[in-house]
Amino acid sequence: DTAVSQTPKYLVTQMGNDKSIKCEQNLGHDTMYWYKQDSKKFLKIMFSYNNKELIINETVPNRFSPKSPDKAHLNLHINSLELGDSAVYFCASSPIGGTDISYEQYFGPGTRLTVT
Amino acid sequence: DQQVKQNSPSLSVQEGRISILNCDYTNSMFDYFLWYKKYPAEGPTFLISISSIKDKNEDGRFTVFLNKSAKHLSLHIVPSQPGDSAVYFCAASESGTSYDKVIFGPGTSLSVIP
Repeated sequence: DTAVSQTPKYLVTQMGNDKSIKCEQNLGHDTMYWYKQDSKKFLKIMFSYNNKELIINETVPNRFSPKSPDKAHLNLHINSLELGDSAVYFCASSPIGGTDISYEQYFGPGTRLTVT
Repeated sequence: DQQVKQNSPSLSVQEGRISILNCDYTNSMFDYFLWYKKYPAEGPTFLISISSIKDKNEDGRFTVFLNKSAKHLSLHIVPSQPGDSAVYFCAASESGTSYDKVIFGPGTSLSVIP
């Protein structure tokens, strides 16, 4: 059973298009995250949601919009894609939310987005 | 501005020997530290963590040491095994809660030679 799954695994698209990446976790976790791993391999937080509420919103262009229909899902919509959006995007979840120590995060396999 | 640094991009160790991966940080507000391991084409997986009230945490072959005054932590793997070959990320947060972001270092690629 896959704990944190992402679809699609690979996404190749042209500049200006709009695309979505879906994430689902079956661990019963309250908190979910989106990370971007750029060409220099740095993993950077983009967003986090706790029980469908936006908690962390990093300095990310407005073209990126997360949507959490329920606490098991956190989707990422990207409008007007640009070349610089090419990266690997990771979804993650963690077992404890709120002010408790969140300990580890469980990551999905990543979605490699290539914008041409 | 890199708040979490891993100055060795790669490390090669013989099987059975000790692997020592180093991490330095600049933010004195960091209170919670984690190590993740990542295989190619997979997401990172949690390995071990330590809070600032401790200076050592052990889990099987993995031990993390924290020197707060030096803003330095290290991950020791002993004995190293070929299956340990992966990229290791050091990460830190101010409180360890969901309200604080986790800052990741750039990773160190470990190769364990049989």
